[in-house]
Amino acid sequence: GNSVTQMEGPVTLSEEAFLTINCTYTATGYPSLFWYVQYPGEGLQLLLKATKADDKGSNKGFEATYRKETTSFHLEKGSVQVSDSAVYFCALFWRGAQKLVFGQGTRLTINP
Amino acid sequence: SQTIHQWPATLVQPVGSPLSLECTVEGTSNPNLYWYRQAAGRGLQLLFYSVGIGQISSEVPQNLSASRPQDRQFILSSKKLLLSDSGFYLCAWSVLAQGATSGELFFGEGSRLTVL
Repeated sequence: GNSVTQMEGPVTLSEEAFLTINCTYTATGYPSLFWYVQYPGEGLQLLLKATKADDKGSNKGFEATYRKETTSFHLEKGSVQVSDSAVYFCALFWRGAQKLVFGQGTRLTINP
Repeated sequence: SQTIHQWPATLVQPVGSPLSLECTVEGTSNPNLYWYRQAAGRGLQLLFYSVGIGQISSEVPQNLSASRPQDRQFILSSKKLLLSDSGFYLCAWSVLAQGATSGELFFGEGSRLTVL
């Protein structure tokens, strides 16, 4: 079935470091891919998305490219800040069934 | 603008007691509605989703059930809670365009359930 596998955390980095959180998926057809973020004490919110192969989603300095050949949607940021500390979820949207399936989440902590 | 409300925010219940979590959406019509559970160390698990009144799809066999009595109301229930039902429950909705949704979900604040 359709599923998402995320890099296991937690991940701890220093401020201004380069960030990569890996995400791979298994799906039939052509799903849309998302990254959601959950800041401490808050609900989930959409960070970025890509709806077809080779699309690049970007927001708040984060980027992810929909790679069909490697079935991946890795999240990257060139220089992280303390305020980026949160839990990040990769997700796959299965249009046929109208449902969004999440990965297990990666907790990111940025130290000053 | 659209808003989503979930309640109660926190709940402590004994094993074997019933459960009812409610979720309502305002400012939109005919949304898709979803219930997720976030258990410690297990990420977000889709429990139920609904594409219309009375239409419920169940993702995981368990002692929970969901109902959609009105267009913008989604209820998560249990007749007898288990210890394993403890977790953080999130309701979400998505907008429909041309009969389908893009997959972008808007989440409520969540309901933390502790079963003792």
